Amino acid sequence: GAVVSQHPSRVICKSGTSVKIECRSLDFQATTMFWYRQFPKQSLMLMATSNEGSKATYEQGVEKDKFLINHASLTLSTLTVTSAHPEDSSFYICSARNYDRVANYGYTFGSGTRLTVV
Amino acid sequence: GESVGLHLPTLSVQEGDNSIINCAYSNSASDYFIWYKQESGKGPQFIIDIRSNMDKRQGQRVTVLLNKTVKHLSLQIAATQPGDSAVYFCAVRGVGNEKLTFGTGTRLTIIP
Repeated sequence: GAVVSQHPSRVICKSGTSVKIECRSLDFQATTMFWYRQFPKQSLMLMATSNEGSKATYEQGVEKDKFLINHASLTLSTLTVTSAHPEDSSFYICSARNYDRVANYGYTFGSGTRLTVV
Repeated sequence: GESVGLHLPTLSVQEGDNSIINCAYSNSASDYFIWYKQESGKGPQFIIDIRSNMDKRQGQRVTVLLNKTVKHLSLQIAATQPGDSAVYFCAVRGVGNEKLTFGTGTRLTIIP
């Protein structure tokens, strides 16, 4: 149980285009989802927290107009990188909070999306 | 805000030996701690967690120790196997919120 599916796993896009990454909770309802970015050989850095039906809360230094987050349903959150540039190339990971689970307070991670902007 | 650090960025251990990975955190009010394993190109995988009302918790081949006095967390892996080679992160839940702050990570390499 508690599976989070993230797609695509890899994407290459041209500079200036937009890319959408999906994060789905497959067997539970996730009222809260988190989006992280991870550069090579570095840790996960929280970008934003999305709550179903409301606006996302962005961490300091993260441009909300560049990284659009939509959490329109209890099982789906999307991250859209708009007008992507090579410096946006990174590994993006989502996490969903499952309030039904007792173990590990229900933080389940997706498998990540490797974004390469050329 | 919370800051989390690890003492060693890399660790090499002979297969079959035990390994210990350390983590320090800054906020004494933190109440929930998690260890994750991350393999190359994958998302973090839950290993074990501990709440602040405990100082030790054991799983299968893994033990987490929490020392709140010095704000230190460790992960012990017993009888290491090649499949244990990965990057290990500690994560600390924010006080009054649900955010997880991740440590810098330790790359564990198991030598056959």
